[in-house]
Formats: sequence, C-alpha cells, structure tokens
Amino acid sequence: AQKITQTQPGMFVQEKEAVTLDCTYDTSDPSYGLFWYKQPSSGEMIFLIYQGSYDQQNATEGRYSLNFQKARKSANLVISASQLGDSAMYFCAMREPGTALIFGKGTTLSVSS
Amino acid sequence: DSGVTQTPKHLITATGQRVTLRCSPRSGDLSVYWYQQSLDQGLQFLIQYYNGEERAKGNILERFSAQQFPDLHSELNLSSLELGDSALYFCASSPRRSGQGVDEQYFGPGTRLTVT
Repeated sequence: AQKITQTQPGMFVQEKEAVTLDCTYDTSDPSYGLFWYKQPSSGEMIFLIYQGSYDQQNATEGRYSLNFQKARKSANLVISASQLGDSAMYFCAMREPGTALIFGKGTTLSVSS
Repeated sequence: DSGVTQTPKHLITATGQRVTLRCSPRSGDLSVYWYQQSLDQGLQFLIQYYNGEERAKGNILERFSAQQFPDLHSELNLSSLELGDSALYFCASSPRRSGQGVDEQYFGPGTRLTVT
C-alpha cells in the first residue's frame, strides 16, 4: 500500500538560509510521481514541484529542488534562500498511475528575519 | 491562481442539513478529484471523476455523493451533516486527458465548511 511519511512536524529557519523538509514514501508500483504542495495560512494548496519515478535528474523549480533518492525511497524538498513568505505548511504527496494523491501529515515551516 | 474554481468559499450550516459544493476544473482538464482536509484526518481523497464518470472512490461516506456534469464542472453533495464533517473541502483537476498517468493536480481554493 502507498504511504507517505513526514517526520518533522515543524521546522524553523532564518531568512536567506536553505532548509530541507523530509519525506519518505512506500509503494510497490515502479511507476509513481512525487509532489510537494505548500499550504499558507490562507488555506489554498499550491503545487510546487513534481518528480517522476523514472526521472534521472532531480526536479528543480526556482528556489525549490527535490532531492530524490530512489533506493532510500526519499523525496526531500530543499528550499534555498528562504523568504518570510515561505512560512507555511508543506505537504509531500505521491500518486501511482490513475490514482489520487496520498498525502503526508505535513511539516510547518517558520521563517524568521 | 491555479485555474480551478470552487464555490462557495465559506459555508456555515447546522447539523442534519444538506449542502452542495461546486467545482470548475481548469480549462481542458477532464479529471476532477475531491479531497477533505480535517484536523484529525489530514488530507484525504474522497472521489474522482473523469469526463463525467466516476473513476475512483476513497474514504467517502455514504452520506456524501458527487457528480460531474457534461460541462465538466463537479458538485459534491453532503447530507445529514454532522459536527465532524466540518473541514476544508478541495477540488483538484488534472491535465492528463486520459485520466491515467502520473501528472500534477492543481487545487482550487477550497470550501471551508463549518457545521454547528
């Protein structure tokens, strides 16, 4: 069965520093996708980055990168040069083909000046 | 702005009542997914529609039902509401026309339902 684990309930970082949010997953399907979403206090879910299981390179989107370690079944999100606006809840999620997203419990990121 | 719209943004109603939440997917997206986010259960998948047909069911209660119309908008109907149904309800749409594959889902702003 699919499973997503986020072990960090909360993370604290100072502006301009990099931060890594951890995510491990479990699936028996060789084809899957890994996603990160950001949920600010306003509540909307914002898609950040996607990594396919067959992708050879780690995904990057601006200041976001996904550190994909397939053998370890981990898909950590790295945010470089943190900004105050990055303070939010971050969810790791996974999909197998044709299925819905399975989400982790989330990590609350707090960025201070 | 994801391109997915949901109405209403907020809904307050009493126990035992029935409500309808509405979602319009991004232009061209045929798949619609409904999710519920509550404090105790986290984010849970409820149901998926693809081009008008039910494609998959998750943890959806029998009191809840959904449909997708020919213009691809979808409605989630919640009946006999209980206090525990208070949650944020999201609709998401997916760009892959086949409804299969592993592609990103774009979420609407959500409907915050409060049952009193």
